[in-house]
Amino acid sequence: EVQLVESGGGLVQPGGSLRLSCAASGFTFSSYSMNWVRQAPGKGLEWVSYISSSSSTIYYADSVKGRFTISRDNAKNSLYLQMNSLRDEDTAVYYCARENLDSSGSHYFDYWGQGTLVTVSS
Amino acid sequence: DIQMTQSPSSLSASVGDRVTITCRASQSISSYLNWYQQKPGKAPKLLIYAASSLQSGVPSRFSGSGSGTDFTLTISSLQPEDFATYYCQQSYSTYFTFGPGTKVDIK
Repeated sequence: EVQLVESGGGLVQPGGSLRLSCAASGFTFSSYSMNWVRQAPGKGLEWVSYISSSSSTIYYADSVKGRFTISRDNAKNSLYLQMNSLRDEDTAVYYCARENLDSSGSHYFDYWGQGTLVTVSS
Repeated sequence: DIQMTQSPSSLSASVGDRVTITCRASQSISSYLNWYQQKPGKAPKLLIYAASSLQSGVPSRFSGSGSGTDFTLTISSLQPEDFATYYCQQSYSTYFTFGPGTKVDIK
């Protein structure tokens, strides 16, 4: 059974840092690209960052570029999001999501973690 | 960046109703369109990928159609467990943007 379990969320002051983790199990983690998606309270979904299976390709949303760093450790089946210079507007539930690819080249997020809440407040 | 819009933003329907949700992209995205369902306090769940492919385990009352800029998600006969928020997502460009969501609640 595929499982993604996020951890590391919590309360942090504006300007502070936090590192989120996502532990993967039930599939060959090193074969899949991964993403972080967030959801502010009462709001919609916002894609945050992407990392390819080998870490060779990384993308960020403009809203977090220069402040967040995505990484992975395939030996530990883990995905990370280092968040620096946090702002009030970064308050959200953060989900990790596995990216799959079908035969036509279509990408989609087929498995999601349960999410971890990050609250940025003084 | 590709912008996604959805209509309506919310709707009220009864069990057994046929429900259609529309998603529009700001430019052509071919068939690179996914649909997710999210219930309160839960993670999103993939329903449809590549515009019309049903994800394994998803009931056949869910279907998707469209290509280019205009897409639809149809629930043929709404069930009690279908009351949720539905999001479209484009996977054509590097940034996989989501639509703002459509909340389906009980009439």
